[in-house]
Amino acid sequence: DAGITQSPRHKVTETGTPVTLRCHQTENHRYMYWYRQDPGHGLRLIHYSYGVKDTDKGEVSDGYSVSRSKTEDFLLTLESATSSQTSVYFCAISESTSGRRSSYNEQFFGPGTRLTVL
Amino acid sequence: LAKTTQPISMDSYEGQEVNITCSHNNIATNDYITWYQQFPSQGPRFIIQGYKTKVTNEVASLFIPADRKSSTLSLPRVSLSDTAVYYCLVSTGANNLFFGTGTRLTVIP
Repeated sequence: DAGITQSPRHKVTETGTPVTLRCHQTENHRYMYWYRQDPGHGLRLIHYSYGVKDTDKGEVSDGYSVSRSKTEDFLLTLESATSSQTSVYFCAISESTSGRRSSYNEQFFGPGTRLTVL
Repeated sequence: LAKTTQPISMDSYEGQEVNITCSHNNIATNDYITWYQQFPSQGPRFIIQGYKTKVTNEVASLFIPADRKSSTLSLPRVSLSDTAVYYCLVSTGANNLFFGTGTRLTVIP
């Protein structure tokens, strides 16, 4: 299995509080992604990163920010958590291959973080 | 945007071949089609990827017709351990990765 860890694995917080989820990889892959998974919606991309300090928005980025100061770490922050952000969050990584779009390359997923916002 | 449509669920008996079809009418010329498998409480795991015609690996086959507006994942002789959710992914770039809602496959003894 690819070396991807997520922390925390479970978190319960209250509406309006800030929350930061961490994704850590030991594979030195260039691309990192944050997804959320909800019943009836499948996996939806929140943000992704294509290098240190290089990030971009995904399909459902409102209410979320990300940072990547090191290759191995990708942080997802909810500045002021809302109940609609209750979800399971997955981090994924993929390698960059010369002459091939990153989106073609196999993504390796972390174990997920279950976040509950009360 | 190449979004995908899959059946919500399917049931199959052990030992049968299972075919799961995904529709992606707006697929772009440069897009590849990728399938992932997800077990409960785990992240998705790559199964197979293709561009056109047929691709086969040790666990599955992927059939893509000439117009590429759909694809079919074929699982030969399924077992109980194949019970999972299967996602079809078509992307137009790293910022347009649409997994869709997936197909929940239940294998019955």
